[in-house]
Amino acid sequence: EVQLVESGGGLVQPGGSLRLSCAASGFTFSTYSMNWVRQAPGKGLEWVSYIDSSSGTVYYADSVKGRFTISRDNAKSSLYLQMNGLRAEDTAVYYCARNLGSGGSFCYDHWGQGTLVTVSS
Amino acid sequence: DIVMTQSPDSLVVSLGERATINCKSSQSILSSSNNKNYLAWYQQKPGQPPKLLIYWASTRESGVPDRLSGSGSGTDFTLTISSLQAEDVAVYYCQQYFGSPTFGQGTKLEIK
Repeated sequence: EVQLVESGGGLVQPGGSLRLSCAASGFTFSTYSMNWVRQAPGKGLEWVSYIDSSSGTVYYADSVKGRFTISRDNAKSSLYLQMNGLRAEDTAVYYCARNLGSGGSFCYDHWGQGTLVTVSS
Repeated sequence: DIVMTQSPDSLVVSLGERATINCKSSQSILSSSNNKNYLAWYQQKPGQPPKLLIYWASTRESGVPDRLSGSGSGTDFTLTISSLQAEDVAVYYCQQYFGSPTFGQGTKLEIK
């Protein structure tokens, strides 16, 4: 069974940093592209970042470019999101999500339960 | 970015009746190279992550009941639930993956 388990969320002050992790199991992590998608409280879904299976290609939404860094460790079957310069508008549940297929932009066939990031003083 | 607009924002339908949700993209998401529409539908229930229902506009994900179907091409798409069941109460999102991924604002489906 595919499982994605996020961790690392919490309360952080504006301008602060946080590192999210996503532990994957139940599939060959090293062969799948992965993503972070967020959802502000009571709002819709926003794609945040993408990384291909070998970490050779990464993409970011304009709203986080230059502040967030996506990475992965295939040996540990883990996905990460380093978030710096956090703003109030970054407050959201952050989901890791697996690409259904190959290619940079795709849909997502498995999602974690999410981890809540709250940016507030 | 491609803007996805769903209608209506909310929908109230009786059990056993048909529910229809529309999604319109600001530009065509039909690829001329493979003749596929880069459109997915998700269902999200309270406190849960989204669940993939449909991709390539009309391909049902494994395990999704056949009363849910997707249609459309180019810029206009529809998710249809042919006979509403209680477990279908949720928020539904469309997503395009032709360009940088974007989602519709969501449609809340409730039972009358």
